[in-house]
Amino acid sequence: QVQLVESGGGLVKPGGSLRLSCAASGFTFSDYYMSWIRQAPGKGLEWVSYISSSGGTIYYADSVKGRFTISRDNAKNSLYLQMNSLRAEDTAVYYCAREYGSGGMDVWGQGTTVTVSS
Amino acid sequence: EIVLTQSPGTLSLSPGERATLSCRASQSVSSSYLAWYQQKPGQAPRLLFYGASSRATGIPDRFSGSGSGTDLTLTISRLEPEDFAVYYCQQYGSSPTTFGGGTKVEIK
Repeated sequence: QVQLVESGGGLVKPGGSLRLSCAASGFTFSDYYMSWIRQAPGKGLEWVSYISSSGGTIYYADSVKGRFTISRDNAKNSLYLQMNSLRAEDTAVYYCAREYGSGGMDVWGQGTTVTVSS
Repeated sequence: EIVLTQSPGTLSLSPGERATLSCRASQSVSSSYLAWYQQKPGQAPRLLFYGASSRATGIPDRFSGSGSGTDLTLTISRLEPEDFAVYYCQQYGSSPTTFGGGTKVEIK
């Protein structure tokens, strides 16, 4: 079945780094744009970053620009988010999501939790 | 960026009642590039609608999306127990994509 599975979350100190991964299965990963979205505890959804199917087009939210890097490996059906210079306000559940061609995000992973705390 | 304001923040209703959720945009959302999601506690969001009124796969027809420009609406005609959740709107017509703050539909 169509599935996204995130991994790589954890507890990290302010200023530290983490690399999140998202493994895709059940669909042709290389055909789809992908996004990372996060949700701080008790808060709403915040879009973080987006990458085109080939990886040639990338966008970031202003809140993470210069600190986070999105990438993908279509041969491995995987999406990544390298997070550097982490701050307390980056604490959230991070979801990867498939961009539906007609709009919106139609497949989501279960999320991985990132906690930035000393 | 386009700011989406959802109202009310919380809607307290009983099963069988009609729910009307509003999403107001700070600027017109081009070509009705708006989506609605449902999120239950501990779960990822689920796409309900795209293009403001096109139902995603598997979404029951008691859910409907309408509106255009700056005022969009999600309606649940008769609430089922499984519909009590938080609902988010998202615009993807203007970069960056943005989400509304959510409306919680709770059991009265």
